[in-house]
Amino acid sequence: SQTIHQWPATLVQPVGSPLSLECTVEGTSNPNLYWYRQAAGRGLQLLFYSVGIGQISSEVPQNLSASRPQDRQFILSSKKLLLSDSGFYLCAWSVRRQGGYGYTFGSGTRLTVV
Amino acid sequence: DQQVKQNSPSLSVQEGRISILNCDYTNSMFDYFLWYKKYPAEGPTFLISISSIKDKNEDGRFTVFLNKSAKHLSLHIVPSQPGDSAVYFCAASAYGNKLVFGAGTILRVKS
Repeated sequence: SQTIHQWPATLVQPVGSPLSLECTVEGTSNPNLYWYRQAAGRGLQLLFYSVGIGQISSEVPQNLSASRPQDRQFILSSKKLLLSDSGFYLCAWSVRRQGGYGYTFGSGTRLTVV
Repeated sequence: DQQVKQNSPSLSVQEGRISILNCDYTNSMFDYFLWYKKYPAEGPTFLISISSIKDKNEDGRFTVFLNKSAKHLSLHIVPSQPGDSAVYFCAASAYGNKLVFGAGTILRVKS
């Protein structure tokens, strides 16, 4: 079966500290991978997406970066966190299916920068 | 540039009645539309989708209508249940690429 794992579930980090959030996918190959963020009271904003290993597209300029070292692994990083990086981070993948596309989201990481 | 808009931040409906959530889009390249339900501190859960070649798709209590000329879609929930209370996101993609989300609508179903 196709599953997506995202960790940690919650994280509290001081301003200026580094960040690494990891997402892995099982049961599919060559998926498109995405990182989204939901700030408090806001919608889902696309941060990065990847169509293959080493291929990263950034949607908004920010303090974050993403990497895809393996086909089913997507990492969100920061060298120095800002207060404004607080939010709910979601990893997702998509693959073509009959009649359209299947998009599946992870359970999310609640990041609080203090 | 908001390509997908959900202009109603919230909606309150009585149990058993119909809930109608609306969504507008601006990008004519979008060819696939989805609705997601989300609870706080959880990932979005897929509800229903529709391809641009259709104007209606039904799945149980959920029906999505697409009006391409108006660039408008809506989600109908009939009958509404208290367990339907959540944030509903409209999303769209072009040729299977990145999903673009609306800002969400909070649905409250009162018993």
